[in-house]
Amino acid sequence: EAQVTQNPRYLITVTGKKLTVTCSQNMNHEYMSWYRQDPGLGLRQIYYSMNVEVTDKGDVPEGYKVSRKEKRNFPLILESPSPNQTSLYFCASSGLPGLTNHEQYFGPGTRLTVT
Amino acid sequence: TQLLEQSPQFLSIQEGENLTVYCNSSSVFSSLQWYRQEPGEGPVLLVTVVTGGEVKKLKRLTFQFGDARKDSSLHITAAQTGDTGLYLCAVHMIKAAGNKLTFGGGTRVLVKP
Repeated sequence: EAQVTQNPRYLITVTGKKLTVTCSQNMNHEYMSWYRQDPGLGLRQIYYSMNVEVTDKGDVPEGYKVSRKEKRNFPLILESPSPNQTSLYFCASSGLPGLTNHEQYFGPGTRLTVT
Repeated sequence: TQLLEQSPQFLSIQEGENLTVYCNSSSVFSSLQWYRQEPGEGPVLLVTVVTGGEVKKLKRLTFQFGDARKDSSLHITAAQTGDTGLYLCAVHMIKAAGNKLTFGGGTRVLVKP
């Protein structure tokens, strides 16, 4: 089954404690990205990757890091989480923009709370 | 100011009524997507519109891309409770601005039985 998986689904942590949210897709997609969703603000793109070892900032990259060492995986790293990073996070993947209709396939979401 | 402005932010209607939600911008786009997100899940693509003036139908949902490719609308005929959800429009920015994907703030639709 074609899917995007994220782990963990729920996470409560404390300020400053480094954490990683994993994302994996089995559709051989080149394009992967991370979004955060906050009430009234919709989905905002944090980082995206066009392919292995190619990453770039989205609209709200501050406080986040990503890596793309393998095509299927795109982990999101919070080196020193702060309460303003409490949010619902989605990973998504798709074919390359311009070559496909760029349909985004989303994971189930990770609800993060930073106290 | 958001690149994509969606209106209304919230819409509550009775089953069987019609509704229209809008996605507006001052920028021109080569294509625009509509997604629906149900509680506890990620968004799912409904349609991609590409040509100015294009109209696409998906059962009771009708999508229109503005002639100038700056705006779009989603019309639902005879809404059902299963249409409840968050409707999001999204555009892929041109390559000169990177390859970002930008979403509107969404319209939350509640269809009551």
